[in-house]
Amino acid sequence: QQPVQSPQAVILREGEDAVINCSSSKALYSVHWYRQKHGEAPVFLMILLKGGEQKGHEKISASFNEKKQQSSLYLTASQLSYSGTYFCGAGYGQNFVFGPGTRLSVLP
Amino acid sequence: GAGVSQSPSNKVTEKGKDVELRCDPISGHTALYWYRQSLGQGLEFLIYFQGNSAPDKSGLPSDRFSAERTGGSVSTLTIQRTQQEDSAVYLCASSPTLNNQPQHFGDGTRLSIL
Repeated sequence: QQPVQSPQAVILREGEDAVINCSSSKALYSVHWYRQKHGEAPVFLMILLKGGEQKGHEKISASFNEKKQQSSLYLTASQLSYSGTYFCGAGYGQNFVFGPGTRLSVLP
Repeated sequence: GAGVSQSPSNKVTEKGKDVELRCDPISGHTALYWYRQSLGQGLEFLIYFQGNSAPDKSGLPSDRFSAERTGGSVSTLTIQRTQQEDSAVYLCASSPTLNNQPQHFGDGTRLSIL
């Protein structure tokens, strides 16, 4: 069951913040976040396991709300290099499904 | 260390021909995934292998698609009687185990069906 991502696309100016959400109607065991730049393969950012943890990766962090079956990816003080499509991946025990992606464009 | 290797990087073939795409995962990774990505679209799950367990083939779009993984390492995705709608980038990923570990992606095979 594919998770839902919002927004579908976002345009930022360099230095602005953004939040990307990933939600599931089915109980999540884990949430992955990946970034894919145009013409390249997806690159792993972080994994969050159920338990409501939060993780950080430079100026990119994420939270996982187990009760709401939702994860949010926070990008602060965005840089040009943050541009790309962000995919969340939902782990449902033995199954894993990527969300449809959020296209992020950071402009100078 | 070496990452996930896929070959060929590009494949152009005529409609109706069979194609084989190869994926060499990171050594020691027991989980291997195949995805398909059409232009501007998301990652469509095709199949995964986990150790010696039976593969999860639930994402294969038709019986023209098949995959195998020999010796728990290299995997081959075969598409028979290719159709134009099969044109896409086929991505392979591997991880140490299922789901709670990062997936490491290869650069993909860009398949074009004429």
